[in-house]
Amino acid sequence: SYELTQPLSVSVALGQTARITCGGNNIGSKEVHWYQQKPGQAPVLAIYRDNNRPSGIPERFSGSNSGNTATLTITRAQAGDEADYYCQVWDSNIHWVFGGGTKLTVL
Amino acid sequence: EVQLVQSGAVVKKPGESLKISCKGSGYSFANDWIGWVRQMPGKGLEWMGIILPVDSDIRYSPSLQGQVTISADKSINTAYLQWSSLKASDTAVYYCARHDCSRTTCYSGYWGQGTLVTVSS
Repeated sequence: SYELTQPLSVSVALGQTARITCGGNNIGSKEVHWYQQKPGQAPVLAIYRDNNRPSGIPERFSGSNSGNTATLTITRAQAGDEADYYCQVWDSNIHWVFGGGTKLTVL
Repeated sequence: EVQLVQSGAVVKKPGESLKISCKGSGYSFANDWIGWVRQMPGKGLEWMGIILPVDSDIRYSPSLQGQVTISADKSINTAYLQWSSLKASDTAVYYCARHDCSRTTCYSGYWGQGTLVTVSS
């Protein structure tokens, strides 16, 4: 099976840049998607196909993917960015795979 | 506007059966994959499976196959998740999600609001 590894938590000072990583074997060969989930709410697609933003997602959100690590970058972090973030890939054998999720705290 | 509206929260006893629903609108329901994601209390997201309503092609997560049944009725644009005998460990929020799939990947830009299933004696 294919596994995705995320840090349990990431903290960032208000207005600074947060980086959330997602590790997987040769993940750079796959397309990575990122979801934001706030407490009590359904997930929201934040980045798709490595580095594409859906409409409504601020330009402060970006993604990259190479080698064994994909990264979600949030610049000028705001209090409203506090949430859990999940990476996801599609694997031909077991289909969707999620990372364990990262709790982002904005200090 | 794409919308996925799920059935309401339920409380069931162990051993009981249950079927929850997800009604899609604003897109071609029959021709897009729609699936289910589980979130147990305080835990992360777990993909359960998907169905293509036009021909009822179904794919299950290997870890969950046999524990639930996914189905759809394309005539009323509704997908279902069903249990024949619930366990306490089935307590979770269940989300439906329209899958955007290409030859190489799938992701979801549209999610239902979630259905809380509580199984308790």
